[in-house]
Amino acid sequence: SQKIEQNSEALNIQEGKTATLTCNYTNYSPAYLQWYRQDPGRGPVFLLLIRENEKEKRKERLKVTFDTTLKQSLFHITASQPADSATYLCALDISGGGADGLTFGKGTHLIIQP
Amino acid sequence: DAGVTQSPTHLIKTRGQQVTLRCSPISGHKSVSWYQQVLGQGPQFIFQYYEKEERGRGNFPDRFSARQFPNYSSELNVNALLLGDSALYLCASSLAVFYNEQFFGPGTRLTVL
Repeated sequence: SQKIEQNSEALNIQEGKTATLTCNYTNYSPAYLQWYRQDPGRGPVFLLLIRENEKEKRKERLKVTFDTTLKQSLFHITASQPADSATYLCALDISGGGADGLTFGKGTHLIIQP
Repeated sequence: DAGVTQSPTHLIKTRGQQVTLRCSPISGHKSVSWYQQVLGQGPQFIFQYYEKEERGRGNFPDRFSARQFPNYSSELNVNALLLGDSALYLCASSLAVFYNEQFFGPGTRLTVL
């Protein structure tokens, strides 16, 4: 079955540094991968989508890479701020047509310390 | 524009009862999906509806059912509640099926006692 692993349950980063989060998956070759941010008690918020033919995608201080050979995506937040503290989820559409919905990892809890 | 709305915000039920959760998608969005998120886990897919038809179903028992109305709003029903059904139930909408980003609502926190 499809398995998605995110690098750690909690990641502590000093303000101003780059935070790097990892998403590894097995048993599938997704057409695209998504990253979401979730704050406590709230629904996930879409951040970035990267397709299999895209190596890298950027949005402001965010950067996502997608290595389909390694079956891995890296999510970077540069010049991190305490307001970036949240849980970050990666998600795959393993069916390509919605039949299986999005499959999410457990998430990485990112803490940016002042 | 209003985002995805869900009601109620919180709900407390006892084992064996039935519950109905409601979701209104973003205007113009025709696809609605439901997810269950237990504490410490990522959301788990329950259903997807598009144009009022069920397009996908996750690995949940038949106690879970859903429907989509002509105005694209949706209801999730759970019968014979179990303690393990306690979770945050999330509704997400998108323009079409899972090609696009999902816009999630704030969720309904269900507690089963």
